[in-house]
Amino acid sequence: NAGVTQTPKFRILKIGQSMTLQCTQDMNHNYMYWYRQDPGMGLKLIYYSVGAGITDKGEVPNGYNVSRSTTEDFPLRLELAAPSQTSVYFCASSYSRGLNTEAFFGQGTRLTVV
Amino acid sequence: DAKTTQPTSMDCAEGRAANLPCNHSTISGNEYVYWYRQIHSQGPQYIIHGLKNNETNEMASLIITEDRKSSTLILPHATLRDTAVYYCIVRVGGQNFVFGPGTRLSVLP
Repeated sequence: NAGVTQTPKFRILKIGQSMTLQCTQDMNHNYMYWYRQDPGMGLKLIYYSVGAGITDKGEVPNGYNVSRSTTEDFPLRLELAAPSQTSVYFCASSYSRGLNTEAFFGQGTRLTVV
Repeated sequence: DAKTTQPTSMDCAEGRAANLPCNHSTISGNEYVYWYRQIHSQGPQYIIHGLKNNETNEMASLIITEDRKSSTLILPHATLRDTAVYYCIVRVGGQNFVFGPGTRLSVLP
């Protein structure tokens, strides 16, 4: 199993451009998450999904959109990139949101908005 | 959410045991303690989790006090590759993983 795969690994965007960060998992997990991590800080939850067709906002959703059309994929869209969105983005998945379930993370997408 | 408190940073000599403490005094009876680590800017890596009994796996041991208000992650023989930021997370049922600033562990040769 590849686990959680994120693409691209690096990207530079100009202010106002848009892009989609891709995330796919092959563990048949129902739950998927997007986090961002600013330099020297912990991870903050952007959006999460409890299954195909169901998404919800996390702690810092402004400026982002998500969709979940399949169990495997959970893309994150930036419509109008801003310098404040310069960060490292991590996708994660878990079998459930139960108390006794760990989450697995991808290797991240480093995004710079200039 | 049950919050956790960890030291900002710690050092450990290579080959020695690394003991990373975590305080979670407001933990509820059915909440698990999870430990993750993040090496450089890689994705967080799951280490171990537990409820009230001590747990051990191939990576580490988790010791939870009887009152569950604190725990210690033990890396029995730290190597240079264990240098990372370690996150202690108490997870509320049905909620998502909330990451704090963690402990930056430096393993020194």
